[in-house]
Amino acid sequence: DAKTTQPPSMDCAEGRAANLPCNHSTISGNEYVYWYRQIHSQGPQYIIHGLKNNETNEMASLIITEDRKSSTLILPHATLRDTAVYYCIVRVSGGYQKVTFGTGTKLQVIP
Amino acid sequence: DSGVTQTPKHLITATGQRVTLRCSPRSGDLSVYWYQQSLDQGLQFLIQYYNGEERAKGNILERFSAQQFPDLHSELNLSSLELGDSALYFCASSPYDPGELFFGEGSRLTVL
Repeated sequence: DAKTTQPPSMDCAEGRAANLPCNHSTISGNEYVYWYRQIHSQGPQYIIHGLKNNETNEMASLIITEDRKSSTLILPHATLRDTAVYYCIVRVSGGYQKVTFGTGTKLQVIP
Repeated sequence: DSGVTQTPKHLITATGQRVTLRCSPRSGDLSVYWYQQSLDQGLQFLIQYYNGEERAKGNILERFSAQQFPDLHSELNLSSLELGDSALYFCASSPYDPGELFFGEGSRLTVL
């Protein structure tokens, strides 16, 4: 799996959009980008994933650059409950693979 | 609620002992993943099973072993426990590969 790089921490004002970047410059054509978050010590929660196109669901939007070397997770109106560690990972379709998480970005939403 | 059930939620034991952690995946999910998360550390991938067969292995210690049973539940066995094994152990299941992982709430192991 391609390696990802994320900033260790970010702050965001409550009610504003939180934009979390992820670099995956070695991503290959059949690798998907997945985002998860972990609130305190709870089990990580799936947020969204994509291959090439931008994606949106009820939780967030995922913007993937045209060259697919980076992506941005957007939480449109951050709330205090969005304070968590956000993980960006890439996964290849099929085959045997380790699904590894990096250290993620700790997002602090500030009142 | 992710639909993934892990038991026990908390476990306190002594060094040298052996414990078994259990995971019941979401109904219909064939893949089960195990992760270890030590205090303030990231998620460390241990092992993955798919429909009873080992699919991928991380840096799992030889003292640790796992299996997935015909009913798809999985168990992680930790033996000769050391203080450094104290951690949260998460199980996740997935309906397909690659697919989103659904995590349980974890089993918190404390080794004294």
